[in-house]
Amino acid sequence: EDQVTQSPEALRLQEGESSSLNCSYTVSGLRGLFWYRQDPGKGPEFLFTLYSAGEEKEKERLKATLTKKESFLHITAPKPEDSATYLCAVQVIVDTGFQKLVFGTGTRLLVSP
Amino acid sequence: GAVVSQHPSWVICKSGTSVKIECRSLDFQATTMFWYRQFPKQSLMLMATSNEGSKATYEQGVEKDKFLINHASLTLSTLTVTSAHPEDSSFYICSARDGPAVSNQPQHFGDGTRLSIL
Repeated sequence: EDQVTQSPEALRLQEGESSSLNCSYTVSGLRGLFWYRQDPGKGPEFLFTLYSAGEEKEKERLKATLTKKESFLHITAPKPEDSATYLCAVQVIVDTGFQKLVFGTGTRLLVSP
Repeated sequence: GAVVSQHPSWVICKSGTSVKIECRSLDFQATTMFWYRQFPKQSLMLMATSNEGSKATYEQGVEKDKFLINHASLTLSTLTVTSAHPEDSSFYICSARDGPAVSNQPQHFGDGTRLSIL
């Protein structure tokens, strides 16, 4: 069974305190790993797609990396506006031939000023 | 770009009522749209995958007669919760993706609909 596990469940940082979020996965056939940001009461906002081990993507204070078993979302010098839930999802192909995303439960990040 | 609009954002209705939720891709054509359900502090659970012009594919355990999905055009999919009951109360989110059924394009999400059944 395809599984995605995110850790930690919640993370509290001081402004400027860098850290990393982890997403480990067990899937039968990875067709991409996606990172999303979700604010309370809103839908997820797309951040990054990673396809192969060793790949890295950056956007402002965020950097995502991928290995064969896990992905990290590094947050450098975070600001209070980075507070949100960060979701990791893996794309898999199902027996119908279509693709679907399997989501982790997310990491709730709170950055204090 | 890649904006998905979902309407309504919030619904409160009596038990037994049917509720329709619309999902529109505003600036791209979405061959495939997805419907998710999210409980508090839990992740998104896929309910069904909708391809334009064909029947939706439902995930195991999701009642297709309860959750009717229509994807009549490349920019609009609807989810109708029929004869809703309090246990159907949840946060429903749609997403849309540009490109063919098998694609590396990301899904773009609407802002969700909070459904409360009294």
